[in-house]
Amino acid sequence: ETTVTQSPASLSMAVGEKVSISCKTNTDIDDDMNWYQQKSGEAPKLLISEGNILRPGVPSRFSSSGYGTDFVFTINNVFLGDEGIYYCQQSDNVPLTFGSGTKLEIK
Amino acid sequence: EVQLVESGGGLVQPGRSLKLSCAASGFTFSNFYMAWVRQAPTKGLEWVTSITNSGTSTYYRDSVKGRFTISRDNAKSTLYLQMDSLRSEDTATYYCTREDLGQLNWFAYWGQGTLVTVSS
Repeated sequence: ETTVTQSPASLSMAVGEKVSISCKTNTDIDDDMNWYQQKSGEAPKLLISEGNILRPGVPSRFSSSGYGTDFVFTINNVFLGDEGIYYCQQSDNVPLTFGSGTKLEIK
Repeated sequence: EVQLVESGGGLVQPGRSLKLSCAASGFTFSNFYMAWVRQAPTKGLEWVTSITNSGTSTYYRDSVKGRFTISRDNAKSTLYLQMDSLRSEDTATYYCTREDLGQLNWFAYWGQGTLVTVSS
């Protein structure tokens, strides 16, 4: 089973700052990493899919990079509306596994 | 517009059964793999099970193998999750999700979730 280690657990950022979230896997998963945003009381929303592909309608402030075992998710110029919990998820093998989440607070 | 609407959640005693349903609309249901993802209260996301578009193959996490059964009715555009021998650790919001590109990969669309509480 591929374990996904996500960090940090929480972040507190000011509007306009840059956010970086890391996910590391214990097996090589090529570029099979996906990123989600979950706002309070809502279902998760897919932001970025395998190969660092931004989903339709997602602002270009969101991006990701990485290959193999190390991945980074970035939000440039963070907005108040970006508050929520962000999850990474590997889709290289079953069981599909998620990181533990990063709670983003905007000061 | 893709819509996924779950139903069937509720309070159930340990050891009992519950069946969840997910009504899909806005896309050709029979073309897509589907999955259930759950989230225990205040916890993270956990993939539970997936099913191929035809329903001929299914995949489960170890902790639910032999207890949960995923199925689908393509004529009714409905996904199901039969949950037997429920345990307290199965308490969670269960999300119906649609995968993409005819394979196990990411969860492109999510329902609003249905809460399952296993407690005596």
